[in-house]
Amino acid sequence: DADVTQTPRNRITKTGKRIMLECSQTKGHDRMYWYRQDPGLGLRLIYYSFDVKDINKGEISDGYSVSRQAQAKFSLSLESAIPNQTALYFCATSDTASGGAVLEQFFGPGTRLTVL
Amino acid sequence: GQNIDQPTEMTATEGAIVQINCTYQTSGFNGLFWYQQHAGEAPTFLSYNVLDGLEEKGRFSSFLSRSKGYSYLLLKELQMKDSASYLCAVIPSNTGKLIFGQGTTLQVKP
Repeated sequence: DADVTQTPRNRITKTGKRIMLECSQTKGHDRMYWYRQDPGLGLRLIYYSFDVKDINKGEISDGYSVSRQAQAKFSLSLESAIPNQTALYFCATSDTASGGAVLEQFFGPGTRLTVL
Repeated sequence: GQNIDQPTEMTATEGAIVQINCTYQTSGFNGLFWYQQHAGEAPTFLSYNVLDGLEEKGRFSSFLSRSKGYSYLLLKELQMKDSASYLCAVIPSNTGKLIFGQGTTLQVKP
């Protein structure tokens, strides 16, 4: 089974609709992240969470919200979807190392979202 | 601000060596990652550099010069399966947040 899973894998929705993307992980990591990927722009951080009670905005959080329901679950919501939110969305997790060492992030398979 | 630059596209021949460069200007530095991403798939970890020098891992090596804000990924004995995008990412602080470059799409030709 995959360590980081995302649902749905593909979604087409209409402008103004509310949509939720879900991420689950079995790696036991405390840190979770949501990114979007657009052609030519690379991966951009939307929100991140270092534990269940810690939520932080990334560089492009406007129009998005998140919920960390448990250590293993981190969901991303678009309250009122718009066409320029059409993108590939990735969830990622990372472990917390002692002494401040930074550890690699593990990515889910992605959700391709199209807003018409 | 944070800025990471990579070439957009590169082409190389099977069996050859290719070097993908990455330059960065960030408010701080706590390490640099290289990820590989095949089309339509998730990025996967290749390497991590936090000190100056070369890190070798099989056919792949990554180099870092902190004073120059520069890194490169070196791929040897190229194979067709190495055709992918290669993402450079910098951690500006100890928050663990990654700032990604736009990625370099490498095409390996027979």
